[in-house]
Amino acid sequence: DVKVTQSSRYLVKRTGEKVFLECVQDMDHENMFWYRQDPGLGLRLIYFSYDVKMKEKGDIPEGYSVSREKKERFSLILESASTNQTSMYLCASSLLGTGANYEQYFGPGTRLTVT
Amino acid sequence: DQQVKQNSPSLSVQEGRISILNCDYTNSMFDYFLWYKKYPAEGPTFLISISSIKDKNEDGRFTVFLNKSAKHLSLHIVPSQPGDSAVYFCAASAKDYGNNRLAFGKGNQVVVIP
Repeated sequence: DVKVTQSSRYLVKRTGEKVFLECVQDMDHENMFWYRQDPGLGLRLIYFSYDVKMKEKGDIPEGYSVSREKKERFSLILESASTNQTSMYLCASSLLGTGANYEQYFGPGTRLTVT
Repeated sequence: DQQVKQNSPSLSVQEGRISILNCDYTNSMFDYFLWYKKYPAEGPTFLISISSIKDKNEDGRFTVFLNKSAKHLSLHIVPSQPGDSAVYFCAASAKDYGNNRLAFGKGNQVVVIP
């Protein structure tokens, strides 16, 4: 069974703090993704990575950075948290390749509140 | 630019009846389509998928239909059950669409009334 875990289910941070969200997958997947989910806006891709130390910007990368030092771990960093980054953050992973490999496996999510 | 669109953000249906969710896409290169289900405070879970070489895929109570010429797909849930109450996301991808990234729609909230 594929397992994607995220370091926290709920997190409360203050404006201006540096925030680290950690994601770990145990299925040796090449690809990892960070999304945020907001009401009425669906799932929006922040960053993704297809290999160690590789990263690609998604649709809304502003205000975020990522780190992938090991294949199984993908970190999302909010350099200086702001209230508009209050959201549900979802990590996902998938294999490389086409067809069924497009399927992404999601973690349980981190509900981040920035006050 | 929304490449995958889900209109009718919410749907209410009686238990036992059919739920039909619609999804339209604009990128003609998309060749694989997926549906995900999401409960509150949980991550999305994969439900069913379809390749562009097919026009129908069925898995138990869930059937996805693909109309390539219309760039339209739909998810049918028959019969609907209270446990199907969730948000459903349509997603699409293609070989050259950036390392297996998925384009997601905004989701449909389904409420099944017992």
